[in-house]
Amino acid sequence: ETGVTQTPRHLVMGMTNKKSLKCEQHLGHNAMYWYKQSAKKPLELMFVYSLEERVENNSVPSRFSPECPNSSHLFLHLHTLQPEDSALYLCASSQERTNGNQPQHFGDGTRLSIL
Amino acid sequence: GEDVEQSLFLSVREGDSSVINCTYTDSSSTYLYWYKQEPGAGLQLLTYIFSNMDMKQDQRLTVLLNKKDKHLSLRIADTQTGDSAIYFCAESTLTGGGNKLTFGTGTQLKVEL
Repeated sequence: ETGVTQTPRHLVMGMTNKKSLKCEQHLGHNAMYWYKQSAKKPLELMFVYSLEERVENNSVPSRFSPECPNSSHLFLHLHTLQPEDSALYLCASSQERTNGNQPQHFGDGTRLSIL
Repeated sequence: GEDVEQSLFLSVREGDSSVINCTYTDSSSTYLYWYKQEPGAGLQLLTYIFSNMDMKQDQRLTVLLNKKDKHLSLRIADTQTGDSAIYFCAESTLTGGGNKLTFGTGTQLKVEL
């Protein structure tokens, strides 16, 4: 039990499909993140939400669309993806602190495969 | 900018100590973290150290920080097969948008019998 739950765990979709990844955190945190993890590449930060406002968008293609309806839930809406988008998508949450100690707590990820 | 580097692989025998190394470039780092990722799972926070400390011990884990050389290490005593995983170091820096974590590429630890 990590405190951060991601669904689905696995997703296979065609390039023309539309799907959504869901993340829910039960830790009372006020910041949430989407990361992309590809083989042999560093973890890529995609989006950051703090207090339900998007504060960072790291040049992510528009075929990825995040949504944060409240501080406990985060979605990643997908449409018209490319084969290179196949990866493990990780959600994380943290509690913003002024002292700088802000460890992120991760879910188990959604393994996405684009056909 | 921030850059965090780690060696890709480490192989040790069960019962030996493992030392995983990490170097970072941003001298304004506030906290440094170690995460563990097992197959099919997300990143699990193992331990962290404040940038003004040089050592922290937590059961089998010892974190050493050389701030002058920007070098961080994680020592695992009495390494077990269950310690086989990928280990990521991460540095935390303050940005306009809040705290930002920059992760290394991860070190794959293999524990052999």
